[in-house]
Amino acid sequence: DQQVKQNSPSLSVQEGRISILNCDYTNSMFDYFLWYKKYPAEGPTFLISISSIKDKNEDGRFTVFLNKSAKHLSLHIVPSQPGDSAVYFCAASPGDDKIIFGKGTRLHILP
Amino acid sequence: EADIYQTPRYLVIGTGKKITLECSQTMGHDKMYWYQQDPGMELHLIHYSYGVNSTEKGDLSSESTVSRIRTEHFPLTLESARPSHTSQYLCASGMNVGEQFFGPGTRLTVL
Repeated sequence: DQQVKQNSPSLSVQEGRISILNCDYTNSMFDYFLWYKKYPAEGPTFLISISSIKDKNEDGRFTVFLNKSAKHLSLHIVPSQPGDSAVYFCAASPGDDKIIFGKGTRLHILP
Repeated sequence: EADIYQTPRYLVIGTGKKITLECSQTMGHDKMYWYQQDPGMELHLIHYSYGVNSTEKGDLSSESTVSRIRTEHFPLTLESARPSHTSQYLCASGMNVGEQFFGPGTRLTVL
């Protein structure tokens, strides 16, 4: 049973527009959420995180929003750039050192 | 430059062979992890370690074994490889909750 769900396997966005990647989770014990980015033939790289005590965290073009009541988080990328084309993994942690990953969403930035 | 390395990057072997996947990090992290990922699927934790001589099994059952004799080294061994072991294996290390640094992965194919 998946605890972290990314229901969109892929997403295409025009360069310069906003990319919104969504993620739902089922375990209310999760208190730390992360987004990782993965290019082909490379390992995932950490992108941005958010603690459950916050509802928004921003880092440059990347913003993560957390809605605890809906058990939903999203990653906004604005403006989208060609180098953003990658697979994005949503992940969650219950506060120990383990991370539960979603299946990923492949983002295509169109010229 | 601090980094995390995995060798080999690709491995094709026959059934019944013993293999060891190498993972080393130069960041001095106490915590290290092994994940298994099939295409289009989430990363599954198969082993982790909190330091020298510490090893634990992860959430996904695996026939592999690990050792942690040195802080920087966390090899994974399969005593007798089978086609069902065909997958990508990702090694990671970290210090803080959630933020893990991943190696490039080893893509294993067992014929």
